[in-house]
Amino acid sequence: QKEVEQNSGPLSVPEGAIASLNCTYSDRGSQSFFWYRQYSGKSPELIMFIYSNGDKEDGRFTAQLNKASQYVSLLIRDSQPSDSATYLCAVNTNTGNQFYFGTGTSLTVIP
Amino acid sequence: DAGVIQSPRHEVTEMGQEVTLRCKPISGHNSLFWYRQTMMRGLELLIYFNNNVPIDDSGMPEDRFSAKMPNASFSTLKIQPSEPRDSAVYFCASRFLQVANSPLHFGNGTRLTVT
Repeated sequence: QKEVEQNSGPLSVPEGAIASLNCTYSDRGSQSFFWYRQYSGKSPELIMFIYSNGDKEDGRFTAQLNKASQYVSLLIRDSQPSDSATYLCAVNTNTGNQFYFGTGTSLTVIP
Repeated sequence: DAGVIQSPRHEVTEMGQEVTLRCKPISGHNSLFWYRQTMMRGLELLIYFNNNVPIDDSGMPEDRFSAKMPNASFSTLKIQPSEPRDSAVYFCASRFLQVANSPLHFGNGTRLTVT
């Protein structure tokens, strides 16, 4: 079983819609959860992180965490074509300094 | 802040040759990670260092791979001898170890092609 699981997609949404990206993790003791965006040929860049149950909003982005269900999600409101990228979920485990990444979800926002 | 600096950006080499990838972490960061990314396997953690000490190298594929961090501002990943299946993008990332929820900051990566 992989530490972090994501649907690989591709996920397509029309411009202006809400894109919903999901991630599950296996280590119940995981502490922190990160969403990265990676454009083709570029390095991952941090969008936001969350460590408490509930929602955390940053501009058009909302991260949601449910530790009981071992589930974290990212919502992108008012999706723009520039949001088209691969979104990586990362989990910082409780056992140390480990960062595990999912394989990423490819998002395409259609103008 | 210059960010994490990796060199070279691209490396093309022939099978059997030695390859050395370099990384300079963000100044003040004391935890450094090496990842490999391929389409098939995504981002794989190879090894990470805390305060220049290797903590977990269980992700290093085999003995052909080695990594060092001689000081807080420099790390190398060496592949000797290289093989075509080593072709991938190699990322270095750094963070503050002692700051809770400190994220990883990635370098621009080295695209390695072994022919």
